[in-house]
Amino acid sequence: GAGVSQSPSNKVTEKGKDVELRCDPISGHTALYWYRQSLGQGLEFLIYFQGNSAPDKSGLPSDRFSAERTGGSVSTLTIQRTQQEDSAVYLCASSLVGSGGENTEAFFGQGTRLTVV
Amino acid sequence: AQSVAQPEDQVNVAEGNPLTVKCTYSVSGNPYLFWYVQYPNRGLQFLLKYITGDNLVKGSYGFEAEFNKSQTSFHLKKPSALVSDSALYFCAVRDIGTGRRALTFGSGTRLQVQP
Repeated sequence: GAGVSQSPSNKVTEKGKDVELRCDPISGHTALYWYRQSLGQGLEFLIYFQGNSAPDKSGLPSDRFSAERTGGSVSTLTIQRTQQEDSAVYLCASSLVGSGGENTEAFFGQGTRLTVV
Repeated sequence: AQSVAQPEDQVNVAEGNPLTVKCTYSVSGNPYLFWYVQYPNRGLQFLLKYITGDNLVKGSYGFEAEFNKSQTSFHLKKPSALVSDSALYFCAVRDIGTGRRALTFGSGTRLQVQP
């Protein structure tokens, strides 16, 4: 597609349930990032993928959070046993990797607004 | 560690006046610097970046930013503000020296342009 696509756009879930958030990056972008934005706050880094591997998982807040990427394309962020503090907008971004190994600018999806009740 | 500071939560400016949104950064090596804009209920949109070369970078919608290494700043500027520029602006940095790929974002500055 033309841009980064995320689904669902909104998700309301009960505390304790598991949720899966999907990201479809721009075609050809090998780098993929997940960020979290709480109401009125900045962006909190969660995880970075290069291809199917995740060399930087340092932002995942707990072991309830996991992510995978298959085929160097679609990524899924899973939150198990959701808590109210997980409520936020989850943003996915993708970028190219330049000839020198540097990442170019990241393009963001519209986000998934997760509400845990 | 890489970090970004946006010292102003909100900037108010009258339409037609110049605007500046401030950003300072901290890295151990050399920085890649970015500005993004977020309109209500929208994702982040890329505005401009500094990688290397000229310290004055021009971007989308008439915005520009000046990289100042001695002051570790990357302030966003526009000569004449529009009401439609009202949005949330984020500065971001990546430390080239660490090899870390992820961007670190500032807390954001809300720009309000009054007619």
